[in-house]
Amino acid sequence: EIVMTQSPATLSVSPGERATLSCRASQSVSSNLAWYQQKPGQVPRLLIYDTSTRATGIPARFSGSGSGTEFTLTISSLQSEDFAVYYCRQYNNWPPWAFGQGTKVEIK
Amino acid sequence: QVQLVESGGGLVKPGGSLRLSCAASGFTFSDYYMSWIRQAPGKGLEWVSDISYRGTTVNYADSVKGRFTISRDNAKNSLYLQMNSLRAEDTAVYYCVKESGYDPYWGQGTLVTVSS
Repeated sequence: EIVMTQSPATLSVSPGERATLSCRASQSVSSNLAWYQQKPGQVPRLLIYDTSTRATGIPARFSGSGSGTEFTLTISSLQSEDFAVYYCRQYNNWPPWAFGQGTKVEIK
Repeated sequence: QVQLVESGGGLVKPGGSLRLSCAASGFTFSDYYMSWIRQAPGKGLEWVSDISYRGTTVNYADSVKGRFTISRDNAKNSLYLQMNSLRAEDTAVYYCVKESGYDPYWGQGTLVTVSS
């Protein structure tokens, strides 16, 4: 079973600044890695799939990179609506489709 | 359109049991793996269990193994989670999830509260 580890647990960022979130897999997941955003009271929303492809309607300020076991989600200039919890999830070896424990992006 | 509607949540005492149900519509239910994923208040997402297309293969998180049982009825387009020996730490919103690679589809969840 693949274990996904995200860091940091909490990221304090000022609006307009850049945020960099990390996700590590316990073994290679190739490029089969997705990122999700969750806001309070909502289900997770797909942001990025296949490591770097933005889902429909996702702004260009969201970008993903990496491969194998190390992945990064970058938000280039944080907007107020971006403060949320972000999860990575692998879909290379399933089941299960393992989630990371999440990174909370909060206002500094 | 795809719909997943969970039911069966509620307040239960420690050691008690609950059965969650998920009614699926808008897709060919038997073509998809299904999962239960939970989220404790203020916490992250935790995969609980999943089941293969015809129900022949099931998997459980260590935290629920031996206490929870996942099942499905493809004729009724329904997914179930039988939860026994419930503990306070099982308190969470339980989501029924249609697994499809990078783009799972989530129900709105049902709240399970384990408290005396």
